[in-house]
Amino acid sequence: DAKTTQPNSMESNEEEPVHLPCNHSTISGTDYIHWYRQLPSQGPEYVIHGLTSNVNNRMASLAIAEDRKSSTLILHRATLRDAAVYYCILRVSGTSYGKLTFGQGTILTVHP
Amino acid sequence: KAGVTQTPRYLIKTRGQQVTLSCSPISGHRSVSWYQQTPGQGLQFLFEYFSETQRNKGNFPGRFSGRQFSNSRSEMNVSTLELGDSALYLCASSRQGADNEKLFFGSGTQLSVL
Repeated sequence: DAKTTQPNSMESNEEEPVHLPCNHSTISGTDYIHWYRQLPSQGPEYVIHGLTSNVNNRMASLAIAEDRKSSTLILHRATLRDAAVYYCILRVSGTSYGKLTFGQGTILTVHP
Repeated sequence: KAGVTQTPRYLIKTRGQQVTLSCSPISGHRSVSWYQQTPGQGLQFLFEYFSETQRNKGNFPGRFSGRQFSNSRSEMNVSTLELGDSALYLCASSRQGADNEKLFFGSGTQLSVL
């Protein structure tokens, strides 16, 4: 499976933007970049995904580098409820039926 | 729209026993995946079912098995339980299981093996 590299932890203050980086230098041309997060005592929650272009939704934005070897999840205004483990995942085209390969993720701490 | 439902929420078993966990996907979703989460190994993919057929499988021993019914509900079974099987078991569903789809996870079943 294609590998991703994320910082172990990051901290932010409430109402400030947060940029969570992810490196995926071995990405293939058709691999999708997905982000999920897991709050304490809950199952993972989908955040956003993209292929080549930057993506926005109500939760976050995903900025994908031109060479696709890295991406950044952007939370525009962090809240205390955004404190979670964030996972950057590559889904290999055509073979990853129902499969997400989770790494260690980034533990995001949000300070009031 | 109801989310992914997993039952039971908690389960305590002893070594050597077997256990069956249940998952009801979101209505209209035909792909159901199962994951094991432990503090040491993190989240690991077990298998995926689509239209009652196992379509993808992770690296787990044969003691871990599953099935899917015609209404897309799924069960997973673990036989001859070991202490190391203590974990949170999560189920996820999506429409087709494709790589550009999002997965919806349930809250999981916390299994403790004594």
